[in-house]
Amino acid sequence: DAKTTQPNSMESNEEEPVHLPCNHSTISGTDYIHWYRQLPSQGPEYVIHGLTSNVNNRMASLAIAEDRKSSTLILHRATLRDAAVYYCILRDSNGNKLVFGAGTILRVKS
Amino acid sequence: DTAVSQTPKYLVTQMGNDKSIKCEQNLGHDTMYWYKQDSKKFLKIMFSYNNKELIINETVPNRFSPKSPDKAHLNLHINSLELGDSAVYFCASSPGTGWTGELFFGEGSRLTVL
Repeated sequence: DAKTTQPNSMESNEEEPVHLPCNHSTISGTDYIHWYRQLPSQGPEYVIHGLTSNVNNRMASLAIAEDRKSSTLILHRATLRDAAVYYCILRDSNGNKLVFGAGTILRVKS
Repeated sequence: DTAVSQTPKYLVTQMGNDKSIKCEQNLGHDTMYWYKQDSKKFLKIMFSYNNKELIINETVPNRFSPKSPDKAHLNLHINSLELGDSAVYFCASSPGTGWTGELFFGEGSRLTVL
């Protein structure tokens, strides 16, 4: 499975945008980029995913570099509820599994 | 209605015992998974079933035996529990194999082995 690299932790102020980076230099052409988050004492929760184009949904935006070797999850206005561990994961088109890394711990200050 | 539900939520038991964790999904999905999250918080896949058939078995000790009586249920039975089995176990589901979208996770079952 191709690997991803994320910062161990990041901090943000409430109501401000947050950009969570992810490097995936060994990504293959068929790998989808997935983001999940895990709130304290809960199961992982799907955030967003994409292949080549930038994606938007009600939770976040995903910006994918043109060479696909990196991506950024954007939370447009962080709230205290967004404090969680965010996982960037690559999943191939035949993949039946998600392989989780260590993720980024996002802390949101009021 | 909870989409993916696991029972029990908490389980405390002694070494050497046998225990089971149950998972049910009401999403009509064909594929179900078990993940283990240890004390270091890494989430690792253990098993995956598609329509009651085992499709992923990730070098898990054979003390762990998943059972899928139907595609809506995937249970995890653990024999001869060891201290290292203490972890949070998450069940998940997806529409089918080759699905590239969202996985739906349960709330987790925290197993503590004393």
